[in-house]
Amino acid sequence: EIVLTQSPATLSLSPGERATLSCRASQSVSVYLAWYQQKPGQSPRLLIYDASRRAAGIPARFSGSGSGTDFTLTISSLEPEDFAFYYCQQRSNWPPTTFGQGTRLEIK
Amino acid sequence: VQVVESGGGLVKPGGSLRLSCAISGFSLNRAWINWVRQAPGKGLEWVGRVKTKADGEATDYAAPVKGRFTVSRDDSKSTMYLQMNSLNIEDTAVYYCAVDPSGVVGGGDCCWGQGTPVTVSS
Repeated sequence: EIVLTQSPATLSLSPGERATLSCRASQSVSVYLAWYQQKPGQSPRLLIYDASRRAAGIPARFSGSGSGTDFTLTISSLEPEDFAFYYCQQRSNWPPTTFGQGTRLEIK
Repeated sequence: VQVVESGGGLVKPGGSLRLSCAISGFSLNRAWINWVRQAPGKGLEWVGRVKTKADGEATDYAAPVKGRFTVSRDDSKSTMYLQMNSLNIEDTAVYYCAVDPSGVVGGGDCCWGQGTPVTVSS
């Protein structure tokens, strides 16, 4: 089973700042990594798939990069609605597909 | 696209429950359907998957639920199912139905339901 480790666990930033979230895989997942955003009481929303492709309707301030074992989700300029939990998911070697433990992005 | 789960509730340890997931506004021909759960205050955990009819409706399961849970689909009703047997306290979670529209390696689950809560307690 591929283990995904996200860092940091919590990121405290202000609106307008740049956010960089990391996801590291225990073995290569090629580019088959997705990112989701989840707000309290809501279901997850797909942001990025195949490491760098934005899902439909996702603003351009969200971008993804990486391949192999190291991946990054970048939010170029934080909007108030971006403060939420973020999860990465590997979709290379499943079953099982696995999720990272999540990064909480909070307002500083 | 609308995804609506139902069937959650309170069940005693050892009991059974069947969850349903109704999907509308979407062609299911190429879609794989995933079930994902989230225990209270915890992260996301994949439960199982059913592939398309063309893929023989093949299923896969996470280790903690294998042999107890069964995923299935009825495309004629645009409805997916998660049959859960021999439930234990660790199965307490919100259960989500999620649609993978591409049915290939990679991609992502574009469309999620609102989730249905399952509580296993005596």
